[in-house]
Amino acid sequence: GDSVTQMEGPVTLSEEAFLTINCTYTATGYPSLFWYVQYPGEGLQLLLKATKADDKGSNKGFEATYRKETTSFHLEKGSVQVSDSAVYFCALSDTGANNLFFGTGTRLTVIP
Amino acid sequence: DAGITQSPRHKVTETGTPVTLRCHQTENHRYMYWYRQDPGHGLRLIHYSYGVKDTDKGEVSDGYSVSRSKTEDFLLTLESATSSQTSVYFCAISQAGELFFGEGSRLTVL
Repeated sequence: GDSVTQMEGPVTLSEEAFLTINCTYTATGYPSLFWYVQYPGEGLQLLLKATKADDKGSNKGFEATYRKETTSFHLEKGSVQVSDSAVYFCALSDTGANNLFFGTGTRLTVIP
Repeated sequence: DAGITQSPRHKVTETGTPVTLRCHQTENHRYMYWYRQDPGHGLRLIHYSYGVKDTDKGEVSDGYSVSRSKTEDFLLTLESATSSQTSVYFCAISQAGELFFGEGSRLTVL
């Protein structure tokens, strides 16, 4: 079945550090891949997405590339800020599916 | 803003009591979802709806029922709440292949 395996946290970084959060997936079809972010006390918001192999999603300085050969969709940011502190979820939607499968989430804390 | 409102936002109840959570949307979206969020599990789908009176089970549907009598409202009911149903519940709608979430309802079952 479809599943997402996400790097466990928590992750603590200093401001301006480089961020990578690993995500790998298993899917039977041709999934779309997503990163969602959840700020404290809020619901999830879409951060970026990619719908086919080799696509790169980007938003707010975050990037992720859909790698079919390694079944991965790792999230990266070159220089994190305190305001990036949140929980990040990797997710997939398989071909013809009506819902998303989520990873377990990675809590990021950025300290000044 | 996808116009999603969840109520109540917080609820404390006792084991064995019935609980209903409401999700209201204002933009006529066809697909609506209920997820629960738990530490170490991420978000897991409970039930979803693809139209009025059309619903289907998700990954963790046991102990939950849903109803959708109007396009704008999707109700999640716990007929007899248990402590294992203590969680944060999120409603979502689907728009252009993306999910948009409400702010969540935190339920504590004592």
